[in-house]
Amino acid sequence: DARVTQTPRDKVTEMGQEVTMRCQPILGHNTVFWYRQTMMQGLELLAYFRNRAPLDDSGMPKDRFSAEMPDATLATLKIQPSEPRDSAVYFCASGPQGGGGYTFGSGTRLTVV
Amino acid sequence: GQNIDQPTEMTATEGAIVQINCTYQTSGFNGLFWYQQHAGEAPTFLSYNVLDGLEEKGRFSSFLSRSKGYSYLLLKELQMKDSASYLCALDSGGYQKVTFGTGTKLQVIP
Repeated sequence: DARVTQTPRDKVTEMGQEVTMRCQPILGHNTVFWYRQTMMQGLELLAYFRNRAPLDDSGMPKDRFSAEMPDATLATLKIQPSEPRDSAVYFCASGPQGGGGYTFGSGTRLTVV
Repeated sequence: GQNIDQPTEMTATEGAIVQINCTYQTSGFNGLFWYQQHAGEAPTFLSYNVLDGLEEKGRFSSFLSRSKGYSYLLLKELQMKDSASYLCALDSGGYQKVTFGTGTKLQVIP
């Protein structure tokens, strides 16, 4: 089965440190989403890309978060500097052109202490 | 903007039928998704409705009424493994932006 691969699976870091999360979308998928999930807010859309171009990152705190797709096989989400309120599970999802079902990765559980 | 509402929690009995509702307010959308998410796991795709009406897929069916701003997910012959959160999401905009409701946590009891 084709999968979306996210690394790391878990990350514990100290406040102020830089965190980079990586996502390998399914080969051939041209749409990539980054979501953050917390108990209080549910799944929040942070950013998404179509054909590697950023389409909407309005859900992302611009002062500390950045999302990029350096190539079609890699999407990154970076937080610098990290804060305790960033603690959440970060999911990447990818999908084919034309929409339909999107496939989620297993997520990165981030804890900032 | 968009507003998606779902009940926070529901409980149902093994073997029974349960309907999980989703109401939304949006200026326009391409389609509506339902996803299942077990605790500690990633969401998995269940259904995508574009047209009004009921779409059946095994024990799960999804219904959409655009005029009423309403969708539901119907789960039949409930099994214990169906205990999970069920997320409604809208696919909107020319670039298919997908935004989720907060989900309904379903507990199936014996």
